[in-house]
Amino acid sequence: DIVMTQSPDSLAVSLGERATINCKSSQSVLYSSNNKNYLAWYQQRPGQPPKLLIYWASTRESGVPDRFSGSGSGTDFTLTISSLQAEDVAVYFCQQYYRTPTFGPGTKVNIK
Amino acid sequence: QVQLAESGGGVVQPGTSLRLSCAASGFIFSNYAMHWVRQVPGKGLQWVAVILNDGSAKYYSDSLGGRFTISRDNFNNALHLQMTSLTPEDTAVYYCAKDVAVGFSRMDCMDVWGKGTTVTVSS
Repeated sequence: DIVMTQSPDSLAVSLGERATINCKSSQSVLYSSNNKNYLAWYQQRPGQPPKLLIYWASTRESGVPDRFSGSGSGTDFTLTISSLQAEDVAVYFCQQYYRTPTFGPGTKVNIK
Repeated sequence: QVQLAESGGGVVQPGTSLRLSCAASGFIFSNYAMHWVRQVPGKGLQWVAVILNDGSAKYYSDSLGGRFTISRDNFNNALHLQMTSLTPEDTAVYYCAKDVAVGFSRMDCMDVWGKGTTVTVSS
C-alpha cells in the first residue's frame, strides 16, 4: 500500500491568516500517461463525515470556497487555506487514489 | 438533494456477523461506483471496499482477510456490506460514499458521504 503522511499533526492559526498542510506519499501518485496526480483532500468537521475539497491535487470540488487550494506533484502536496475562517476548524485528510485508496492520518486545524 | 444514509450498525460480539446498508437518493445510483470507508473514533480513515456501478466488479482492502462482502441493489438504490467473523478491531464508524467518476469506471475519490453507522464489536 502507498503510505500517506501529513504534517503538522495540528496547527493553530489566527482568523484571516494562512494555514498550510503538507502531505507526502511513499511513492509517486503522478500517472505519467495523463499527467494527473491521484491525490485528494477532505475536510472533516467535528461530528460530520468527510467532505471532498480537492481532487487531482488541485481541482476544487464544486461549491468549495476559493480560499482552499491544492498544489504539489509526485510525492509532495500542500493544502492551503488562504484566509482562515471560523468554519474551517476541522481535521484535514489527504488521500491517494493511484492505487488501493489510502488516507493520511489527518491534520487538525484550530483557531489561535 | 444527493443523500446517503447508512443503517445496520450496532453492538455485536466477536465472531458474529453484521450487515450494513446504505440508502441512496438524489442521483442516478446505477451510474456510480460506491465505496465503504471506516473510521475508528478519533482516528483516521480506512478504505474498505468498492463496487462498480453495475456490480460487475468488487475490490477490497487486503487487510480484511476476505471477511467482508460488498453488494448493491440498483433497483432499490441500496448498497450493502456483509461483515463476518467480526473482531474488536472492526469497531468503527462505517461510511458509504459515492465515487466521483460516472459510468463504467471508478476514480476511488469520493464526493458524497453518508453520516455513518457505528459498529461496536465487544464481548
